[in-house]
Amino acid sequence: GQQVMQIPQYQHVQEGEDFTTYCNSSTTLSNIQWYKQRPGGHPVFLIQLVKSGEVKKQKRLTFQFGEAKKNSSLHITATQTTDVGTYFCAGQGLEYGNKLVFGAGTILRVKS
Amino acid sequence: DAGVIQSPRHEVTEMGQEVTLRCKPISGHDYLFWYRQTMMRGLELLIYFNNNVPIDDSGMPEDRFSAKMPNASFSTLKIQPSEPRDSAVYFCASRSGTGFQPQHFGDGTRLSIL
Repeated sequence: GQQVMQIPQYQHVQEGEDFTTYCNSSTTLSNIQWYKQRPGGHPVFLIQLVKSGEVKKQKRLTFQFGEAKKNSSLHITATQTTDVGTYFCAGQGLEYGNKLVFGAGTILRVKS
Repeated sequence: DAGVIQSPRHEVTEMGQEVTLRCKPISGHDYLFWYRQTMMRGLELLIYFNNNVPIDDSGMPEDRFSAKMPNASFSTLKIQPSEPRDSAVYFCASRSGTGFQPQHFGDGTRLSIL
């Protein structure tokens, strides 16, 4: 079964609204990575979080890693049409045999 | 720099035929991964290699699937015989082995089995 849960599955927002996707692991992670996949494209690495409680920003994107290193979130401020795509979290940890385990992804659609 | 190169980009074939997907990882990367992506099951890891050696093939659906990596610059994923339920996008990804490194994905092969 799915070891890394991601919600919501789908979100449709008005351009300019904020967007957040959440990721939860059943076990403690050594690190978490976030990827973006544009429609018809391939997953592209965005960022990696390693430290407990870590927060990183990339322009309008804010990534957080939970204190217990079991959850993470990606927040986009003031969405634009270029943000459209599927956002995946992917966790790595000893329980997963050091494989990168992907969440199911959150599909983001932006209405202009 | 060249990224991960996959071929073919699209493949349409009839049920029962053999299908071979190809991947050239980024030079210097010593990990190679094969994924399958469908709407129903999302992104699934099929198998991964380290230094050309298969490490974990627990995601390979069944004996009809096989993967090889004869050298550091080439890998194949073979399906024989193919079935309609194998229709999916197959991605190859590679990464370097030092520390926690991101995976670099190829453009994928969109496979349709009729």
